[in-house]
Amino acid sequence: GAGVSQSPSNKVTEKGKDVELRCDPISGHTALYWYRQSLGQGLEFLIYFQGNSAPDKSGLPSDRFSAERTGGSVSTLTIQRTQQEDSAVYLCASSLPPGGDTQYFGPGTRLTVL
Amino acid sequence: KQEVTQIPAALSVPEGENLVLNCSFTDSAIYNLQWFRQDPGKGLTSLLLIQSSQREQTSGRLNASLDKSSGRSTLYIAASQPGDSATYLCAVLPGANNLFFGTGTRLTVIP
Repeated sequence: GAGVSQSPSNKVTEKGKDVELRCDPISGHTALYWYRQSLGQGLEFLIYFQGNSAPDKSGLPSDRFSAERTGGSVSTLTIQRTQQEDSAVYLCASSLPPGGDTQYFGPGTRLTVL
Repeated sequence: KQEVTQIPAALSVPEGENLVLNCSFTDSAIYNLQWFRQDPGKGLTSLLLIQSSQREQTSGRLNASLDKSSGRSTLYIAASQPGDSATYLCAVLPGANNLFFGTGTRLTVIP
């Protein structure tokens, strides 16, 4: 069956530009998560959605980062005025209920800010 | 704050060897622990999920154990194959919202 998909797979942008990253979770999964992995570092939690609401935004690194989810399905992560330190692989995951269930990850979007 | 550590950071073994990857976490109040595999250019693949009430899980040549009280988990890979070469990540779920990941162990199985 279809897994979690993300687009684009690669994005190169200039410093100061805005970018949008998209995540399509597995159909029927109510929980959706965004993570990022910077070079040489572990995965870092960014934000979690239950349905369309985001009860936990604690991981967003700055107010330049925002995310939304519509229709309990697709989510977009927006980074405004990108900086070089934003360069990373951004991973999306989904699961059935939040908590105790396996999270399924997409292939990620590799963002490079020049 | 939960911290997850994986040792070693990198490991090379000849094909056919059995090996153990280690994961430790600082807060034993977890719902579950998950082992993932990460291949270059690809997303994460979930390997094994151990609920906090369980001691181990097995899938094929993989066996994961959990000792919650000591904050440790191990991933045992039997009869390693070159196709097992990847980065292996351990992650704990302390609450309903997000996983805390270790930095991973990069495994190379030499044919």
